[in-house]
Amino acid sequence: GAVVSQHPSWVICKSGTSVKIECRSLDFQATTMFWYRQFPKQSLMLMATSNEGSKATYEQGVEKDKFLINHASLTLSTLTVTSAHPEDSSFYICSARMRTGSLNSPLHFGNGTRLTVT
Amino acid sequence: DAKTTQPNSMESNEEEPVHLPCNHSTISGTDYIHWYRQLPSQGPEYVIHGLTSNVNNRMASLAIAEDRKSSTLILHRATLRDAAVYYCILYAGNNRKLIWGLGTSLAVNP
Repeated sequence: GAVVSQHPSWVICKSGTSVKIECRSLDFQATTMFWYRQFPKQSLMLMATSNEGSKATYEQGVEKDKFLINHASLTLSTLTVTSAHPEDSSFYICSARMRTGSLNSPLHFGNGTRLTVT
Repeated sequence: DAKTTQPNSMESNEEEPVHLPCNHSTISGTDYIHWYRQLPSQGPEYVIHGLTSNVNNRMASLAIAEDRKSSTLILHRATLRDAAVYYCILYAGNNRKLIWGLGTSLAVNP
């Protein structure tokens, strides 16, 4: 149980275009989803926290107009990278906390999306 | 946010036990100790977590020092599939964020 599906697993796009990444909790409801970015040989960097039905909370230094997050239902959150540039190329990972979980419950992660901007 | 310190890398032989240490000297009373691991090109996978008492599950055991300033993740019999980066993280429920360090890269030799 507790499966998080992330799609697509990889995407290549041209500079200036937008890319949408989906994160779905398949067998549980998630009130909170987190979006991370990971550059090669580095750790995960939290980008934003999204709660179902409300606006996402972005970490310092993350542009909210560039990285649009929508968490419209208890099972789906999307991250749209708008006007992508080569420096946005990275590994994007989502995670979700079960609706029935406590604040200290483990997080469940998607398998990540490798974005390459040419 | 309290930080953790882990060795950059460790090596083990297949079918031998592995002890992965983590120091967290500034841990607060409400911080849980979480362990995740990440295989290459995949998202992290939950391994185990605890607060004060030692914990066991089907994947591993977590030994927590009495003063909670350090902990050890124990893989009882390492397999090649256990080769991954292991992250020790303090999870303070009140801020809901996981602070990720660089973790320990575990290599398992056949």
